[in-house]
Amino acid sequence: ELKVEQNPLFLSMQEGKNYTIYCNYSTTSDRLYWYRQDPGKSLESLFVLLSNGAVKQEGRLMASLDTKARLSTLHITAAVHDLSATYFCAVDMRMDSNYQLIWGAGTKLIIKP
Amino acid sequence: DTGVSQDPRHKITKRGQNVTFRCDPISEHNRLYWYRQTLGQGPEFLTYFQNEAQLEKSRLLSDRFSAERPKGSFSTLEIQRTEQGDSAMYLCASSLGTGQGRQPQHFGDGTRLSIL
Repeated sequence: ELKVEQNPLFLSMQEGKNYTIYCNYSTTSDRLYWYRQDPGKSLESLFVLLSNGAVKQEGRLMASLDTKARLSTLHITAAVHDLSATYFCAVDMRMDSNYQLIWGAGTKLIIKP
Repeated sequence: DTGVSQDPRHKITKRGQNVTFRCDPISEHNRLYWYRQTLGQGPEFLTYFQNEAQLEKSRLLSDRFSAERPKGSFSTLEIQRTEQGDSAMYLCASSLGTGQGRQPQHFGDGTRLSIL
């Protein structure tokens, strides 16, 4: 069964702290996405990771991919309140002749001032 | 680029009624996706179009659900004889793709469906 699991599902942290969100997936894939969703809002694409060892950074967020371990991480450095949101990872998996995104359940991140 | 737009934003209806949602993708995007999202969960794939052709449907999609993209531009998702379990956020996304090329999907704000 195709599974994408995120850990933790809920995270409350103080501003200025560092933390990591983990995304494990159960089968081979060569592409992983991280999205952000604010309450009542659309999903916003943050990162696309295309190969083993890929690392991408945008501001205080850094994402990495280890395809051998089937693991991606989203690291938050010196968190600020504006980063409060729900973060989803999604894995591109081949289904017959097409690809589908299989999504994790999301990590709800609350950053307290 | 005006983004993906969905209409309506909210729909409240009684159980047993039919509902229809509309999605207007980013104009140059040839791929269009429908997802369903319930509280505390990630989006769940429903169906996918490339241009006007519906190429994939989730096994979770019952025969009460139908989607169209008649001219390869906007799409509609209809739910017939709605049930309580249909209450969810319905998300539309679009992307530009050729062959096996896969670009990030751009999402609309969704239509929140509440069944009374």
